[in-house]
Amino acid sequence: RKEVEQDPGPFNVPEGATVAFNCTYSNSASQSFFWYRQDCRKEPKLLMSVYSSGNEDGRFTAQLNRASQYISLLIRDSKLSDSATYLCAVNAIHQAGTALIFGKGTTLSVSS
Amino acid sequence: GAVVSQHPSWVICKSGTSVKIECRSLDFQATTMFWYRQFPKQSLMLMATSNEGSKATYEQGVEKDKFLINHASLTLSTLTVTSAHPEDSSFYICSARFRGRESHGELFFGEGSRLTVL
Repeated sequence: RKEVEQDPGPFNVPEGATVAFNCTYSNSASQSFFWYRQDCRKEPKLLMSVYSSGNEDGRFTAQLNRASQYISLLIRDSKLSDSATYLCAVNAIHQAGTALIFGKGTTLSVSS
Repeated sequence: GAVVSQHPSWVICKSGTSVKIECRSLDFQATTMFWYRQFPKQSLMLMATSNEGSKATYEQGVEKDKFLINHASLTLSTLTVTSAHPEDSSFYICSARFRGRESHGELFFGEGSRLTVL
């Protein structure tokens, strides 16, 4: 089983739609979780951290379910500018300590 | 503005040559720097972790003699792809974890370096 798994999509939605992405992780000892956004041929940029209690930042809501080992991202009122790949990232123990391990990403395309 | 700067942003080289990529943290001390590689439509794959002043730790399957990492200071890490071959063509991205933010776990990324080996 891969450490971090995401549905690659693509998700094609109209402007104004609500869309949700899920991500599962295999290491139950993981402590930190994040969503990153990556535009085509660019570096990932931190979108938001994911906290146990769930957290919201404007149109974006992130949730963590430790029992089921999954993380979700909800985007409300989608904008054209939300079109990108959304990467789930989990902090995991690796060779030299902890490192962020990424899912393959979920591609979102918002159309007018 | 960017907190991690990576250079060059793209490079084309002939097979057999070596290419050096620099990664600098701006205004912050990076206790740890990470090097990732991303092939088209694939995930970011961790290559190695480097702490200032010590040898890098490589992930399984990554050749340490081919991908030389030097982390000379708290603001600079370099990756040298030695004797590059076409299969090394990829998007190489560095990232930094900053002093005081270690427990939070988030990473800040450089702009990435797109390597094409002919």
